[in-house]
Amino acid sequence: QITLKESGPTLVKPTQTLTLTCTFSGFSLSTSGVGVGWIRQPPGKALEWLALIYWNDDKRYSPSLKSRLTITKDTSKNQVVLTMTNMDPVDTATYYCAHRGSTSSGPFDPWGQGTLVTVSS
Amino acid sequence: SYVLTQPPSVSVAPGKTARITCGGNNIGSKSVHWYQQKPGQAPVLVIYYDSDRPSGIPERFSGSNSGNTATLTISRVEAGDEADYYCQVWDSSSDHPGVVFGGGTKLTVL
Repeated sequence: QITLKESGPTLVKPTQTLTLTCTFSGFSLSTSGVGVGWIRQPPGKALEWLALIYWNDDKRYSPSLKSRLTITKDTSKNQVVLTMTNMDPVDTATYYCAHRGSTSSGPFDPWGQGTLVTVSS
Repeated sequence: SYVLTQPPSVSVAPGKTARITCGGNNIGSKSVHWYQQKPGQAPVLVIYYDSDRPSGIPERFSGSNSGNTATLTISRVEAGDEADYYCQVWDSSSDHPGVVFGGGTKLTVL
């Protein structure tokens, strides 16, 4: 059974850097084709993809947020870390991590429970 | 960048069929995935690769994809199907390939 769980601060100040950790079990990020993605959802709004890291350390970022995002993995700890710089109140959202299987153009399944991050001074 | 367009809302009476569309330029050439999200919960995959159903998803859920429109069809709609639904594709056509989500459709069961 695959599970993922997000952790990190619930409140950050404007201009600060956000660091979120996704801790997972039930799969290995060293398995060919496997990936872990980050997706966020502002309150009452749609899902927005942020970043994706693959088993081979290949990384993809949302073009609109690429300059602010960094995604890394620690295979030995079964963790993926997302950092987002220069946080702003509009970045207030629930942040999800999700497993992406080894098939080409595969879906995100399953997702973590999400963690709400509020940006406020 | 690639854009997916969904109707903001769809309403259907219990027992009837709901159809939720996802429009995109030549979306029929891409693989479309659909997620269901109930209030306060994480999204759940309900259809993948246009028309496949994960284990545990009722047969009432089906999908199709052709031309410029992908469709999620929910037959014999139940009150428990009330949720937001999102389509998603992988866009490899741009200089920066990545994941694209539609804007979501709120399904209301009357």
